[in-house]
Amino acid sequence: EADIYQTPRYLVIGTGKKITLECSQTMGHDKMYWYQQDPGMELHLIHYSYGVNSTEKGDLSSESTVSRIRTEHFPLTLESARPSHTSQYLCASSGIGELFFGEGSRLTVL
Amino acid sequence: QKEVEQNSGPLSVPEGAIASLNCTYSDRGSQSFFWYRQYSGKSPELIMSIYSNGDKEDGRFTAQLNKASQYVSLLIRDSQPSDSATYLCAVSGGYNFNKFYFGSGTKLNVKP
Repeated sequence: EADIYQTPRYLVIGTGKKITLECSQTMGHDKMYWYQQDPGMELHLIHYSYGVNSTEKGDLSSESTVSRIRTEHFPLTLESARPSHTSQYLCASSGIGELFFGEGSRLTVL
Repeated sequence: QKEVEQNSGPLSVPEGAIASLNCTYSDRGSQSFFWYRQYSGKSPELIMSIYSNGDKEDGRFTAQLNKASQYVSLLIRDSQPSDSATYLCAVSGGYNFNKFYFGSGTKLNVKP
């Protein structure tokens, strides 16, 4: 089982602010993912990475950006938050098979 | 066509009954199949993985895979009210090998 940590768990912020959602995993997994999910709705892949210095956009277009400088760390950044960014952001990682999720970061932009 | 299809439900079963959840997928080359449980407001939790045709049992849960029919199912025996959640089917290892494709989930209600 993977240990994967997300901070902050909850964030309320004003429009135009820059935010970074942190995601770290301790299992040495090469593959990491960011999903976006609105309440009661399906998961949407917004970014993924297969290893250090590798990042790809997912199936849902997002104004966020990601970086992968270290294997264990996969932060997501929004340069200028807007109310339309209000959602739950889920980080996940995978080694050779299963995908494990962090507890999520719930973002509210006022 | 979506990569993974699930009936959105809700599926209602009485406590103690068997709940049967179904999923179909479109990429015939898919190799890995997963069931996740997601409680409202929480993140998905892996409950079963299956990689070869047939049945795989873990406690009250049985996953069934039929690659020829591109069909995955999850049976929950002796359903409990605490099993009430949304169940997500996920598939990986197909043409885009490292991506996981999720269905939209089936909401299960277990009535006491």
